Amino acid sequence: KAGVTQTPRYLIKTRGQQVTLSCSPISGHRSVSWYQQTPGQGLQFLFEYFSETQRNKGNFPGRFSGRQFSNSRSEMNVSTLELGDSALYLCASSSGQLQTYGYTFGSGTRLTVV
Amino acid sequence: SQQGEEDPQALSIQEGENATMNCSYKTSINNLQWYRQNSGRGLVHLILIRSNEREKHSGRLRVTLDTSKKSSSLLITASRAADTASYFCATDRDTSGSRLTFGEGTQLTVNP
Repeated sequence: KAGVTQTPRYLIKTRGQQVTLSCSPISGHRSVSWYQQTPGQGLQFLFEYFSETQRNKGNFPGRFSGRQFSNSRSEMNVSTLELGDSALYLCASSSGQLQTYGYTFGSGTRLTVV
Repeated sequence: SQQGEEDPQALSIQEGENATMNCSYKTSINNLQWYRQNSGRGLVHLILIRSNEREKHSGRLRVTLDTSKKSSSLLITASRAADTASYFCATDRDTSGSRLTFGEGTQLTVNP
């Protein structure tokens, strides 16, 4: 079956702009989580959505937001981009059977803010 | 902030040798997971060990967990050049929902 699909793969934006990233989970997976990876801070949890509801949220400013649609696809939005938002953004989906299968990650969206 | 610390930060070995990576964490957990990442791509789930387990095997992988010391180790036996990657441990605390806290990672290089 298809894996987790993230689009776009690469993105270049200018400071002050906003950006929307998309994640399509594995079919049947209802939980979608987002992570930011940077050389300085490593992998950090952004938020998790389950059945269209935000279930967990990390310590990021309000400029970072997300949503999940009824088909479990998720988007995250970053407004008023800063240079420090340059990162690899990873999406992970889960069936809920976490004790056995862990999470399946997409290949990520590499965002560069100039 | 990262909960986990991994050591070593970098490890270089020859093909056929074993590689051991360690991970420490700070809080109580439900489970601990290991992931592999190749060249800044997505993470691949390797193995999950629950907090009430002490050791788990999967193919050439062996994971141990010591909750009293809040530490875990990942052993890769008979390493191959294709094992070259970054390896991360991640802890999962929540009983509802997902919220992985990752370590800083170990960069493993396996030389042919």
